Amino acid sequence: QSALTQPASVSGSPGQSITISCTGTSSDVGNYNLVSWYQQHPAKAPKLIIFETTKRPSGVSYRFSGSKSGNTASLTISGLQAEDEADYFCCSYAGSSKLVFGGGTKLTVL
Amino acid sequence: EVQLLESGGDLRQPGGSLRLACAASGFPFSSYAMSWVRQAPGKGPEWVSSISDRGSSTFYADSVKGRFTISRDNSKNTLYLQMSSLRAEDTAMYYCTKADASIIVDAFPIWGQGTRVTVSS
Repeated sequence: QSALTQPASVSGSPGQSITISCTGTSSDVGNYNLVSWYQQHPAKAPKLIIFETTKRPSGVSYRFSGSKSGNTASLTISGLQAEDEADYFCCSYAGSSKLVFGGGTKLTVL
Repeated sequence: EVQLLESGGDLRQPGGSLRLACAASGFPFSSYAMSWVRQAPGKGPEWVSSISDRGSSTFYADSVKGRFTISRDNSKNTLYLQMSSLRAEDTAMYYCTKADASIIVDAFPIWGQGTRVTVSS
């Protein structure tokens, strides 16, 4: 399985909105509404923030939202806060009980 | 509270073997599929392997198939990963994760704190 493609970095000022893209293929992102997103702070384990492409787990801020168009999924963070500065990874189901992650995007809050 | 506690990470030479364990608590372990996910330093996570609730179905990434074996002991609430023919590229933090389903894993809602594996001569 090939890794999903994410931008290496994005940045935004407090209060702004940013979007992180995650591009796969018709065998993974494009074929299933099973994209998940994870937030990872330094030296911590990843934390699930979006599952099944658009759903938020209990306790995750409404400022995080997910969407998909074709083979590209997106994570939008609105009302940026300093605590949102972290690495973000996407993941997609790829069929046959296999999953593939993206390389990650470093979010800097200016 | 759901807890996953990994252990067994260590330094091994290329070609060596290692067994990781994950002790689970706070949920009915035998009702959920479990997975191992690894993350090399400075890289994104990589799904390694998953196992169904009863252990009857196992799945592996192509990069570890034939070298790693996932298993579970539901009587001990413990997940295992037997790693053999280790390579330098297996160096990573290995995380134990709990699914929200019994068989098919499509996301990783719960993660342990990880155990570090280093393969180097």
